[in-house]
Amino acid sequence: AQSVSQHNHHVILSEAASLELGCNYSYGGTVNLFWYVQYPGQHLQLLLKYFSGDPLVKGIKGFEAEFIKSKFSFNLRKPSVQWSDTAEYFCAVNEAGGGNKLTFGTGTQLKVEL
Amino acid sequence: SAVISQKPSRDICQRGTSLTIQCQVDSQVTMMFWYRQQPGQSLTLIATANQGSEATYESGFVIDKFPISRPNLTFSTLTVSNMSPEDSSIYLCSVALRVGRETQYFGPGTRLLVL
Repeated sequence: AQSVSQHNHHVILSEAASLELGCNYSYGGTVNLFWYVQYPGQHLQLLLKYFSGDPLVKGIKGFEAEFIKSKFSFNLRKPSVQWSDTAEYFCAVNEAGGGNKLTFGTGTQLKVEL
Repeated sequence: SAVISQKPSRDICQRGTSLTIQCQVDSQVTMMFWYRQQPGQSLTLIATANQGSEATYESGFVIDKFPISRPNLTFSTLTVSNMSPEDSSIYLCSVALRVGRETQYFGPGTRLLVL
């Protein structure tokens, strides 16, 4: 069965610091990759997604992620975080042709301090 | 995109009772799903709600415990039956407009506490 690992469960950064959140998945076939964000008191929102093409994808609010197939990774980055980026971040994967079913990582709680 | 609403937003229930959660989408969608997020854990897919036929359940989830209905392309219900404290979770509905390379959109969730 497919699995998704997020290495950092809790991250605390100061404003303007750079962010990188790790995500690795176990499936060897073709996958679609997603990062979702859940701000305090809000529901899950899509941050960015990768289906095919350029492995560096850009999402909302200055986030980007890079798909490295050889490493089964899809790490999320932001060069300079803001206090408003405080949220929980989830990596998710589905198998191409697998009926849209998502497998989620355990999530990373990011706190950005002023 | 799709706008999803869920009812109730939260509930406190007694052991042994059942609760039905409703999910309403503002447009017709092909795929609807139900997920569970237990305290301190990630989201786990319970089942795919199929319009006009029985839901497709993931390993570890059964129809007797989590009966699902999907009468049309904009609405689904999930019932949590014969509840125990272990069922305390957030239950989320999600949708995808089509099968394939599609984004899933999530509802606000139903926060359930079973005493």
